[in-house]
Amino acid sequence: EAQVTQNPRYLITVTGKKLTVTCSQNMNHEYMSWYRQDPGLGLRQIYYSMNVEVTDKGDVPEGYKVSRKEKRNFPLILESPSPNQTSLYFCASSLYGGRGTTISNQPQHFGDGTRLSIL
Amino acid sequence: GENVEQHPSTLSVQEGDSAVIKCTYSDSASNYFPWYKQELGKRPQLIIDIRSNVGEKKDQRIAVTLNKTAKHFSLHITETQPEDSAVYFCAASKGFQKLVFGTGTRLLVSP
Repeated sequence: EAQVTQNPRYLITVTGKKLTVTCSQNMNHEYMSWYRQDPGLGLRQIYYSMNVEVTDKGDVPEGYKVSRKEKRNFPLILESPSPNQTSLYFCASSLYGGRGTTISNQPQHFGDGTRLSIL
Repeated sequence: GENVEQHPSTLSVQEGDSAVIKCTYSDSASNYFPWYKQELGKRPQLIIDIRSNVGEKKDQRIAVTLNKTAKHFSLHITETQPEDSAVYFCAASKGFQKLVFGTGTRLLVSP
């Protein structure tokens, strides 16, 4: 079954304790992305990756790191989490047709989300 | 960068009525406009999308219209049903760059 898998689904932790949220997809998608969802703010992009070893900042990258060492995995790293990073996080993936192509007709597949609470 | 505004934030309708959600975008180079539906506690799911070379697209009870000149696009749901109740997000993108979302509309369909 084609899917995007995030772990953990829920996490309560404390300020400053490094954490990693994993994201894995089995669809051989080149493009992967992380979003955070906050009430009244919709989904905001944190980082995205066009392919292995290619990553770029989204709208709210501060306090986050990502890596793309393998095509299927795109972990989100919070080196020193703070309470303002308490949020619902979604990973997504899609095919990438190459330079000059668009996301259109290649919709993003979302994971089930990770709810992070940082005390 | 791109900015997407979405209205209304909440919409209540009676079953069988139509619902319209509107979005405006700021970057005239944006060329792809998807709509996502998110049920409570679930992931966002794509329900319909439109490219900038098309003015309208329909899929059964849902349709999307795009006005490039005015830089706005709308989601239309006809004959609403209780299972249409969810949060709907519009988004805009150009190429394979950032997908920028609106802030969401909570649609409540009352039986």
